[in-house]
Formats: sequence, structure tokens, C-alpha cells
Amino acid sequence: SQQGEEDPQALSIQEGENATMNCSYKTSINNLQWYRQNSGRGLVHLILIRSNEREKHSGRLRVTLDTSKKSSSLLITASRAADTASYFCATDAPSGTYKYIFGTGTRLKVLA
Amino acid sequence: DVKVTQSSRYLVKRTGEKVFLECVQDMDHENMFWYRQDPGLGLRLIYFSYDVKMKEKGDIPEGYSVSREKKERFSLILESASTNQTSMYLCASSFGGFGIYNEQFFGPGTRLTVL
Repeated sequence: SQQGEEDPQALSIQEGENATMNCSYKTSINNLQWYRQNSGRGLVHLILIRSNEREKHSGRLRVTLDTSKKSSSLLITASRAADTASYFCATDAPSGTYKYIFGTGTRLKVLA
Repeated sequence: DVKVTQSSRYLVKRTGEKVFLECVQDMDHENMFWYRQDPGLGLRLIYFSYDVKMKEKGDIPEGYSVSREKKERFSLILESASTNQTSMYLCASSFGGFGIYNEQFFGPGTRLTVL
């Protein structure tokens, strides 16, 4: 079963606009991560937010975490064509093992 | 920089063949993972290993086995390939333990086609 579910499944915006993606999960977590995947390639880690953090920034990325709603959002500001990719959230498994559970991803397309 | 390499980017095999997918990482990571990625299903964990010779089943281990004889190398084995194992296979590694060091580093993926 999926722990993280991203929303929307696909998003198309103009260059310069902001893109927001959401992730919902089912059980309590220690931390949540966001990854990017360019077409046909491996995933690249973007940012990790711990359960006791509410917001985190990295360059043009802003991640929020609401543990009461079991949800997180990833905001990409001033998007660029190079941001075109799929974005995945990953949460640590409920059993607290070393593994993470990935959602199905949001496909972002930034039009030049 | 951490580097995770996979033995092949593209692979075509026939039904019934035994298939080996190799993954090597150079960061002395304790944990290594094998995922498969299919459209609409996201990444699903096949197996992971938290130490040499140690392994645990993930969510979809059926039809697969793994081997970790050395810390840097984690192999995925399809004992008898079937067409429903056509997929993108991704290897990843991470530091062990809990806390902030669980970022996973991914290889470029192997796109396997079973005919």
C-alpha cells in the first residue's frame, strides 16, 4: 500500500510561475523527503524535513509539513524549463525500518 | 560525490532466462535498495539490505532474489525472467541508522525488457 500520495498527478505551468505539489501520507513519520526524477533517469534527493519541523527552504524550493493533517507540500518558485521532471515524496515506513515508501509522483511540465 | 552505478542502462532478455542486475556504490553506505518503477505505480521496493549478507524483503519480492557479498555491491537476480518483470529497475544506497542521514542516492536505472 502507498504511504505517500502526491497531488496533482500532473501539472503544467509557464516558466516563471510557481509550482505547488502536495503529498499526503497515512501513518506517523520520522521524516519526509522529496525527490526529483528527470525523464528516464534515477531520482535525485531535493530536501528532507523532519517531523518536528514545519517548513524548510533550499534555494527556490520550499517544503512544508503538517503532521496533524499528515501532509506536505513542495513549492518551486520562479520555475524554469529545467524544472520539468517528476517529483516524489518519500516517507519512512511505519515500522521504523531503514526503508522508505515512495508515492506515485507528480509530473511537472514547465513551458518556456 | 556519492556515486551509484548500475551495470546496464538497457537490457533485453528472453522469458525464462536468469538475469543479474548489478549495483555498486562508492560511499561506504550500509543500506542498499532495489526498486522497480512502473507507470502509475511509482517506486515499489523489491528488497533491501542493511549490511553485508543481510537482506529483507520489500513489498514485491516474488520472482526476485538478491545477493550482497560485499558492502559496496548489491545484486538483483531474476531467477526465471517473465514478461511481467519488464520494468525500470532502480538501485539506491544510504547511510545506516535513523535520523538525518537517510537520504537515498540513486543509480541511473536499468530498463529491462523481457520478451
